[in-house]
Amino acid sequence: QSVLTQPPSVSAAPGQKVTVSCSGSSSNIENNYISWYQQLPGTAPKLLIYDNNKRPSGIPDRFSGSKSGTSATLGITGLQTGDEADYYCGTWDRSLTGGYVFGGGTKVSVL
Amino acid sequence: QVQLQQSGPRLVKPSQTLSLTCAIAGDSVSSNSAAWNWIRQSPSRGLEWLGRTYYRSKWYNDYAISVRGRITINPDTSKNQFSLHLNSVTPEDTAVYYCSRNTDYWGQGTLVTVSS
Repeated sequence: QSVLTQPPSVSAAPGQKVTVSCSGSSSNIENNYISWYQQLPGTAPKLLIYDNNKRPSGIPDRFSGSKSGTSATLGITGLQTGDEADYYCGTWDRSLTGGYVFGGGTKVSVL
Repeated sequence: QVQLQQSGPRLVKPSQTLSLTCAIAGDSVSSNSAAWNWIRQSPSRGLEWLGRTYYRSKWYNDYAISVRGRITINPDTSKNQFSLHLNSVTPEDTAVYYCSRNTDYWGQGTLVTVSS
C-alpha cells in the first residue's frame, strides 16, 4: 500500500489529453514539492516534473504539473504512442515514518 | 551531463549482505547541492526509497524506516562514488536497485535476486 494514491490506469486516444492524479496528506503533498516520473518498460524512471510544475531541460511542454492541497495532477496533452508508460508521483513525507515516498504508479495507455 | 554507473553482484544468498556501488560522472559526491540516493523497485513494493547520503559541510545520512538498522550508504570521495550495503537480506529484498542524484538522474538499475 503506497503512501501516495494513484489510479492504476488511464487511457486516451492519440492527440487527446490525459490527467493522472496523486492523492496524499498534509504530511507529504500539502507541505512539500512534488515530482513526477515517467518509466518506459525496462528502463529507469525519468524525471518529468519537479517542484510541482517545473520541467527539466528537454521535457516538452505537453507535460504539466499542478498541486492543490493534498493532491497533485500530471497532465499530458497531444498524447503520443511514445507516451505509453508508467507514471509515478513522489515527494518527501514528514510523518513519523518519513523519507521520500512514491505513488503506486499509473499506466498510461494510448488507444 | 551526469551519468551514474551501477555495479555489484546480482545474486545474494539469504542472510548475507547486498552490496552495490554507484560511480558518478559529471558531478561530485561531495557536492553541496546533491543528495545521493538508493531506490529499489519490485512488483510487491513498487518504488521504494531506501536512503541517501549528502554533504553539507559534513556528511549526513537518512534511511527509510523499513530498512533502518540493516542499511548503510557510504560516500567514497577518492573514487567519486557511493555504495549501498543491506545486510541480513531475505527473498523480500529481491528487486531492481537504482542509484539516483536528487531523483533527477538515475543509474541503469541492477536486478538483485536473493536466493540460495
